[in-house]
Amino acid sequence: QVQLVQSGAEVKKPGSSVRVSCKASGGTFSSYEINWVRQAPGQGLEWMGGIIPMVNRTNYARTFQGRVTLTADESTTTAYMELSSLRSDDTAAYYCAMSGVIGRLDYWGRGTLVTVSS
Amino acid sequence: DIQMTQSPSSLSASVGDRVTITCQASQDIKYYLNWYQQKPGKAPKLLIYDASNLETGVPSRFSGSGSGTHFTFTINNLQPDDIATYYCQQCNEALPFTFGPGTKVDLK
Repeated sequence: QVQLVQSGAEVKKPGSSVRVSCKASGGTFSSYEINWVRQAPGQGLEWMGGIIPMVNRTNYARTFQGRVTLTADESTTTAYMELSSLRSDDTAAYYCAMSGVIGRLDYWGRGTLVTVSS
Repeated sequence: DIQMTQSPSSLSASVGDRVTITCQASQDIKYYLNWYQQKPGKAPKLLIYDASNLETGVPSRFSGSGSGTHFTFTINNLQPDDIATYYCQQCNEALPFTFGPGTKVDLK
């Protein structure tokens, strides 16, 4: 069974960057797509982007293009999401989710709360 | 981007009721539509994929149907454990993989 363990909560200043990690176990890491989805407090789900480690291919939602960078380390089966130029409206829970089939978010991490506050 | 709408935005139902949620896509997404359940403070959970396929381990009282632009999600015999927010998500090849705004289901 695939398990995704995300890094802990973060508090960041506006204008700074945050890096969230997502360590996978129990699956074939390289062949899955790792997606990132965020959820602002009391709001819905927003897909940010995805990465397929095997081919190092990334896709980003236009909303985040230029501010988000997705990477993956196959040796440690860990994926990373870095979001830069943080604003207060980036305050949200950030989830990683693995897909065995493109777009189907089968397995989810528990989420990492990122709070952006001066 | 493909826009997803859901209705209703919230509903109240009694244990044992049949609950139906609709999801509409702004363009044809064939059957590339998934449904997720999210309970407060928890990560979403995949229930239905490709419009009508039940994810392994999901109770059979959950079902989905539809294709193209119009989709339906049904809970038969609503249980207290089904109280949650439900999201549709399109996963057509056209990125991004957009979600509907969600439908909050609670007990009457």
